[in-house]
Amino acid sequence: DTGVSQDPRHKITKRGQNVTFRCDPISEHNRLYWYRQTLGQGPEFLTYFQNEAQLEKSRLLSDRFSAERPKGSFSTLEIQRTEQGDSAMYLCASSPGLSANEKLFFGSGTQLSVL
Amino acid sequence: GENVEQHPSTLSVQEGDSAVIKCTYSDSASNYFPWYKQELGKGPQLIIDIRSNVGEKKDQRIAVTLNKTAKHFSLHITETQPEDSAVYFCAARSYGNNRLAFGKGNQVVVIP
Repeated sequence: DTGVSQDPRHKITKRGQNVTFRCDPISEHNRLYWYRQTLGQGPEFLTYFQNEAQLEKSRLLSDRFSAERPKGSFSTLEIQRTEQGDSAMYLCASSPGLSANEKLFFGSGTQLSVL
Repeated sequence: GENVEQHPSTLSVQEGDSAVIKCTYSDSASNYFPWYKQELGKGPQLIIDIRSNVGEKKDQRIAVTLNKTAKHFSLHITETQPEDSAVYFCAARSYGNNRLAFGKGNQVVVIP
């Protein structure tokens, strides 16, 4: 399978716990994006990387959220001190080039439930 | 920022009929308009996209039309099949912008 891969598919956690998600983009895709999707809504941009550099962050990405892409391949998204409002589907996407004008390909997402 | 709206929120069609979903956008600088299909428990799948230098694009049973003057674009699905049942999202992005702005989605139900 050469698509975007996300792990885990589902995560249930208690409020206040830390969680970490992983994304493996399509091989050789330079750009990697994180989006968040809540029920009945479209995906909302969180942040993106070009290779290993994190170049843009949304205001939705509070200081409890941190994302990394250390070697320009896979990426992790960590949420510290989770809150019930963090419950959502976290989607990762990648695009092939160095331009912002490329097609985005999404993974299947990690569904987070904070109890 | 860009604001994208989709209508109707839910659309039911008989198998074999056509389905049309319309989106409007607010930023006249937007020049890229993709459509995504999302099935339950899966991520959005890109099904077709159009750039502002063309007015229409077709791929088998699906087509997208763009009206830049009115700032709206539409997805057309012909000869609908049960497997077309899903949530469809439109999105828009302006040149050099790293963010896709998505609509809220349309639930399409194809009745066998």
